[in-house]
Amino acid sequence: QEQLVESGGGVVQPGGSLRLSCAASGFSFSSFGMHWVRQAPGKGLERVAFIKYNGDDTFYADSVKGRFTISRDNSRDTVFLQLSSLRADDTGLYYCARDFWRGPYNWFDPWGQGTPVTVSS
Amino acid sequence: QSLLTQPPSVSGAPGQRVTISCTGSSSNIGAGYDVHWYQQLPGRAPKVLIYGNNNRPSGVPDRFSGSRSDTSASLAISGLQAEDEADYYCQSFDISVSGSWVFGGGTKLTVL
Repeated sequence: QEQLVESGGGVVQPGGSLRLSCAASGFSFSSFGMHWVRQAPGKGLERVAFIKYNGDDTFYADSVKGRFTISRDNSRDTVFLQLSSLRADDTGLYYCARDFWRGPYNWFDPWGQGTPVTVSS
Repeated sequence: QSLLTQPPSVSGAPGQRVTISCTGSSSNIGAGYDVHWYQQLPGRAPKVLIYGNNNRPSGVPDRFSGSRSDTSASLAISGLQAEDEADYYCQSFDISVSGSWVFGGGTKLTVL
């Protein structure tokens, strides 16, 4: 069964840091790109970061560029998101999702259950 | 503001048919990029419902269908059931956005 399990969320003060982890199982992790998507309370989805299957390329939303860093360890089937200089508007549920391809189509599947991040003093 | 516009809410009675629109522009859907739809049940992670505009993954009932035309896309749900009550999001590429992937703002479906 293909599964993603996030961890590392918590409560942090403005300006603080957190490191989120996403452990994959049930598929060949090193063959797939990975995304982090966040959802602020009561709001929609925002893709914040992506890393290629081999870690050679990364992409960031403008809202987190320079503050968040995505990385991966293919020997541990895990992708990470380092959050720094956190602000109140970074509060939300953070999901990891696999970048999945079928033929010409590319979407996010599966998703983890999410890990919550609260930025508050 | 999302680059893909969805109505905040739609509703329908059991058995009825509802549609959810996703309006984009020439930098995303109008540029020929595919649209995917996700269903987010209350308290759950999103799950793909329609991929590549009109394709259903195995296990998704044929009550769900998707279409794309010009700069917009639609999700149709027929034979509405109580368990369809959820948030629905469209997704596509946008060439004007760093990293390219964008989501619609989401639509809350209420089954009356």
